[in-house]
Amino acid sequence: EPEVTQTPSHQVTQMGQEVILRCVPISNHLYFYWYRQILGQKVEFLVSFYNNEISEKSEIFDDQFSVERPDGSNFTLKIRSTKLEDSAMYFCASSVNFGDGYTFGSGTRLTVV
Amino acid sequence: SQQGEEDPQALSIQEGENATMNCSYKTSINNLQWYRQNSGRGLVHLILIRSNEREKHSGRLRVTLDTSKKSSSLLITASRAADTASYFCATDSYGNNRLAFGKGNQVVVIP
Repeated sequence: EPEVTQTPSHQVTQMGQEVILRCVPISNHLYFYWYRQILGQKVEFLVSFYNNEISEKSEIFDDQFSVERPDGSNFTLKIRSTKLEDSAMYFCASSVNFGDGYTFGSGTRLTVV
Repeated sequence: SQQGEEDPQALSIQEGENATMNCSYKTSINNLQWYRQNSGRGLVHLILIRSNEREKHSGRLRVTLDTSKKSSSLLITASRAADTASYFCATDSYGNNRLAFGKGNQVVVIP
């Protein structure tokens, strides 16, 4: 069964450093997403991406965050200057169409120290 | 506003029993989805029910949707130890390209 692949599975970074989280969505999916889950809390929406541009973003997704689809397969989330409160599990997801079920990746656990 | 708010229950049941969990939401939706998350792992899509549907089945899963009460329930029949996980409902609304997740229900199935 097709999967959404995320790398790395775990990343530890110093506060203030830039991190790039990588995702390979399912090849025939058109919509891509990033969500995050702080330990013990809800899954929160960050951003959705369609047709090579952001279609929607949350208030969490401020100027420190950016997304990119640098080639036909990868979808990345960059955090420019990490803060302690960015520590969370970050999930990438994709869907064929808007309004379909999502396929989520296994997540990247980001720890900011 | 908060969407997809489950009753914050932790269920502990014996293998073979049924598990029911509920979810309520506050605004009009396009569809409602249920996901499972095993500890420290990703979210697995279980079932999607559209706003014009009232009930849906998939294997041992049964989902109901009551749009007049803005609520949904997920029933897992004949539970197995492997069903031990957190279960989340998530809603997507017209005009939004995002899912709003609830807090999740922890289900423990005792062998």
